[in-house]
Amino acid sequence: EPEVTQTPSHQVTQMGQEVILRCVPISNHLYFYWYRQILGQKVEFLVSFYNNEISEKSEIFDDQFSVERPDGSNFTLKIRSTKLEDSAMYFCASRQGLDEKLFFGSGTQLSVL
Amino acid sequence: QKEVEQNSGPLSVPEGAIASLNCTYSDRGSQSFFWYRQYSGKSPELIMSIYSNGDKEDGRFTAQLNKASQYVSLLIRDSQPSDSATYLCAGRRRGDMRFGAGTRLTVKP
Repeated sequence: EPEVTQTPSHQVTQMGQEVILRCVPISNHLYFYWYRQILGQKVEFLVSFYNNEISEKSEIFDDQFSVERPDGSNFTLKIRSTKLEDSAMYFCASRQGLDEKLFFGSGTQLSVL
Repeated sequence: QKEVEQNSGPLSVPEGAIASLNCTYSDRGSQSFFWYRQYSGKSPELIMSIYSNGDKEDGRFTAQLNKASQYVSLLIRDSQPSDSATYLCAGRRRGDMRFGAGTRLTVKP
């Protein structure tokens, strides 16, 4: 089965630093997402991306966050100035159509010290 | 805030029993609903999707949707220890999908 690939699997950073989380969605998929899950808590929607622009974003996705699809294959999430509370597992996901199966990557565990 | 609520459990059933997982949602604009299974430290994986009122069966799993009551459920028949995981209910409205907090299920041999 095709896979969504996320790198790195673990990222440790200092508070205030910028991080970029990388994802390679499945090649024929059109809709891309970022979710996060703080340890022991629910999976929270951050942002959806379609046709090279953000289609929906949650209240979590403030000005510190941005997404890009720079080259037609990668999909990145940037956090400009990390805070302690940004520590979480970040999942990238993609799907071909709105009612198609959503495929998740294996996640990037971000630890902000 | 468009919420999906789940009874957080934990839920424990003996092997071979039926496990019943429930979910309610507050956004009547939600168009489709999903049940995901998440093992500890892993990403969610899709078990079932349901779009219209009624029941949908897939093997040992049956999803039920009642849009009038804003209620979604998942029944797992003949529960196995390998079914032990956290089950996430999710609703989709337009482009985004919102998850409930999950119900932790333990199936005891």
